[in-house]
Amino acid sequence: EVQLLESGGGLVQPGGSLRLSCVVSGFTLSSFTVSWVRQAPGERPEWVSTLTDGGQTFYRDSVKGRFTISRDISTNTLYLQMSGLGADDTAVYYCAKAAPASSFENWGQGTLVTVSS
Amino acid sequence: EIVLTQSPATLSLSPGERATLSCRASQSISDYLAWYQQKPGQAPRLLIYDASNRATGIPVRFSGSGSGTDFTLTISSLEPADFAVYYCQQRIKWPLTFGGGTKVEIK
Repeated sequence: EVQLLESGGGLVQPGGSLRLSCVVSGFTLSSFTVSWVRQAPGERPEWVSTLTDGGQTFYRDSVKGRFTISRDISTNTLYLQMSGLGADDTAVYYCAKAAPASSFENWGQGTLVTVSS
Repeated sequence: EIVLTQSPATLSLSPGERATLSCRASQSISDYLAWYQQKPGQAPRLLIYDASNRATGIPVRFSGSGSGTDFTLTISSLEPADFAVYYCQQRIKWPLTFGGGTKVEIK
């Protein structure tokens, strides 16, 4: 069974940094594309970043240069290092696994990031 | 960026009725469209991929159609568990984008 479990969210001050983790099971990160998707309260989901099975990375423009997606294959953990956080980064952050014909087949339960002073 | 526009914003229906949800893309996306269901406090759940293919475990009352710029999600007969928000999402071009959602509420 595929499972994804995020952690690392919390309250952070504007300009601060945070690292999110997503431990996966039921599949290996080296074989599947995975992504981070966020959702601000009452808003639509918003794609943030993708790491392909081949190691390519993609980011939305608003987080380029501030966020870094990475993985540790030995622990089957996906990361999102976030810096320069602002109020508009406040959201629930989900990690999601792709399938050959879909971007987000399986989702974690999410972790809440709140940027506020 | 490809913009996805969903309509209506809210659909008020009774259990047993048919629901028809629309998603329009700002440019052609072939059939690279997915539909998700989201309930309060939960992550989105994949329903349909590549416009018309049901994901694993999705009941047959959910169906998708369309290609190019116009897509439809149909729920043939609403069950109580189907009252939720539905989003469409395209995967043909970066950035991946979602529509604004349609809330299906109990009339």
